[in-house]
Amino acid sequence: AQSVTQLGSHVSVSEGALVLLRCNYSSSVPPYLFWYVQYPNQGLQLLLKYTTGATLVKGINGFEAEFKKSETSFHLTKPSAHMSDAAEYFCAVSARAGTALIFGKGTTLSVSS
Amino acid sequence: EAGVAQSPRYKIIEKRQSVAFWCNPISGHATLYWYQQILGQGPKLLIQFQNNGVVDDSQLPKDRFSAERLKGVDSTLKIQPAKLEDSAVYLCASSLSTRPQFFGPGTRLTVL
Repeated sequence: AQSVTQLGSHVSVSEGALVLLRCNYSSSVPPYLFWYVQYPNQGLQLLLKYTTGATLVKGINGFEAEFKKSETSFHLTKPSAHMSDAAEYFCAVSARAGTALIFGKGTTLSVSS
Repeated sequence: EAGVAQSPRYKIIEKRQSVAFWCNPISGHATLYWYQQILGQGPKLLIQFQNNGVVDDSQLPKDRFSAERLKGVDSTLKIQPAKLEDSAVYLCASSLSTRPQFFGPGTRLTVL
């Protein structure tokens, strides 16, 4: 069985500061890991994904995440926050490609000027 | 390329009433998912279709929820009768076999 824990339901940063959103997973098989972003009244948009191969994954809008098997983590980072990054971020895991996603509870990112 | 379409975007009903949601996936996507997102939580799978067959409906409350996928394209999700705890956003997603899922904008249901 798979599960996801997102540490911190709310993260606040200043514009230009480092963004770090934490995600830990549990999986009985090698996981597929995803980060999605959700803007108000919109659906989820894929930021990046890890399936196999390189453990540092680059996504859209300057975000990246690193898969660390030993720590069962997949934290999302961005070197410099923009106001437009304010949204809700969800980490998700699946057992294999083509199966349903199991989501964490989400982290709301606030960016102040 | 058109995205996943959902309608209506918002719906308000009284408890014990019925409601239906519609989803049109991205053209050619064989896999379709319905998720329920309760306020403050991540989405939770209700049902997964592969073409017009059900792959996983283990978390669908079958006493009140039903879903179908017509001709392997559009899908409808129905709730009958609705309860207060059904208030949520209902998200439809589609994917090409092993590719990542694309999500629609969702339908926000309020049950009074």
